Amino acid sequence: GQNIDQPTEMTATEGAIVQINCTYQTSGFNGLFWYQQHAGEAPTFLSYNVLDGLEEKGRFSSFLSRSKGYSYLLLKELQMKDSASYLCAVRDSNYQLIWGAGTKLIIKP
Amino acid sequence: IAGITQAPTSQILAAGRRMTLRCTQDMRHNAMYWYRQDLGLGLRLIHYSNTAGTTGKGEVPDGYSVSRANTDDFPLTLASAVPSQTSVYFCASSDSGGSGDNEQFFGPGTRLTVL
Repeated sequence: GQNIDQPTEMTATEGAIVQINCTYQTSGFNGLFWYQQHAGEAPTFLSYNVLDGLEEKGRFSSFLSRSKGYSYLLLKELQMKDSASYLCAVRDSNYQLIWGAGTKLIIKP
Repeated sequence: IAGITQAPTSQILAAGRRMTLRCTQDMRHNAMYWYRQDLGLGLRLIHYSNTAGTTGKGEVPDGYSVSRANTDDFPLTLASAVPSQTSVYFCASSDSGGSGDNEQFFGPGTRLTVL
């Protein structure tokens, strides 16, 4: 079967750095996405990785290792508005997205 | 309109009733999707459409049907609602059937309660 694993919840302090991990086992791989979802709102796109390595976009970076079936999202200089759920999704061999359950990130002052 | 709209925002429905959730996008995206999101679970694909006139089944299609008569609209119908269909429903769209780095854009969601 297909499986995406993420921690259920993480807590971090404002101004700090946090790393959210995602491991996956899917039938095929055609890219990995990270989305942010604030409570009661729709998911919004953060990043996309298809090749191994680090993609940096402002305070957010995303890393991929295809051989290990592993990705992480790195958030720097945390702000209170970063409190949200972070969803990892893998595009499989049918070009459909398989979603993890999401990691709820709590930012404390 | 800018992006994707969904209607209604929320609905309480008696079991056994028929219900259509509406979704409209103005980005001229080829591909559209319907997901349900339940607490503790990832988004699960119900149905999708790679282009107008075609549809496909996702992970959890039973009890749902869709149509794609044109590029902009992708309604989801529950023929006879059951309590297990209580969920938040998201419509999404993407360009070029989701290939490359084309991300999916999501509507604001419909919160459906079936009693």
